[in-house]
Amino acid sequence: SQQGEEDPQALSIQEGENATMNCSYKTSINNLQWYRQNSGRGLVHLILIRSNEREKHSGRLRVTLDTSKKSSSLLITASRAADTASYFCATDEWNTDKLIFGTGTRLQVFP
Amino acid sequence: EPEVTQTPSHQVTQMGQEVILRCVPISNHLYFYWYRQILGQKVEFLVSFYNNEISEKSEIFDDQFSVERPDGSNFTLKIRSTKLEDSAMYFCASRPGTVTEAFFGQGTRLTVV
Repeated sequence: SQQGEEDPQALSIQEGENATMNCSYKTSINNLQWYRQNSGRGLVHLILIRSNEREKHSGRLRVTLDTSKKSSSLLITASRAADTASYFCATDEWNTDKLIFGTGTRLQVFP
Repeated sequence: EPEVTQTPSHQVTQMGQEVILRCVPISNHLYFYWYRQILGQKVEFLVSFYNNEISEKSEIFDDQFSVERPDGSNFTLKIRSTKLEDSAMYFCASRPGTVTEAFFGQGTRLTVV
């Protein structure tokens, strides 16, 4: 499998429900970041969690990181139609200066 | 709020032609990147640039690709002889240091016909 694989590939929920996306990676990391991409647009940074952190919150976003399992999850609570987008995890690996992106989860929130 | 700007937003070129994609990173950032995203696929790393030289590049970034920071503000990606498979969205990004968030431009959609 590749660095930064996400599941599910696609997720459809109703407004008000929670959305959970998972990301797995393979190498040692400095941090893991989540980005959002609206269709055909650029990537917008959502949240960064460092390798020595286990959980982080930002508004309706909650990110967890388990370095022993090399996995992270992004939870969006009380979703809105405007949350419809693709969500990517990205890892900052040790001894490099590049971000490696995952395969992404396409989230559709129905009003 | 400072942002990364990319021009043009859409470029159509004939196979074999050279293209230059332009980016203006955020002014106090030190690390610059090009990524590409083929329609519906993942965001792929192409190259990172620091201290006026390439710091890392991927297998995609072959001899047909080059980057420059000609004047201390612009950051360009040149594809010397475009192929059909170069059709993709190209994103420029910058960040103030490593292990920080990256700021992405809106992308240039390159279509090779």
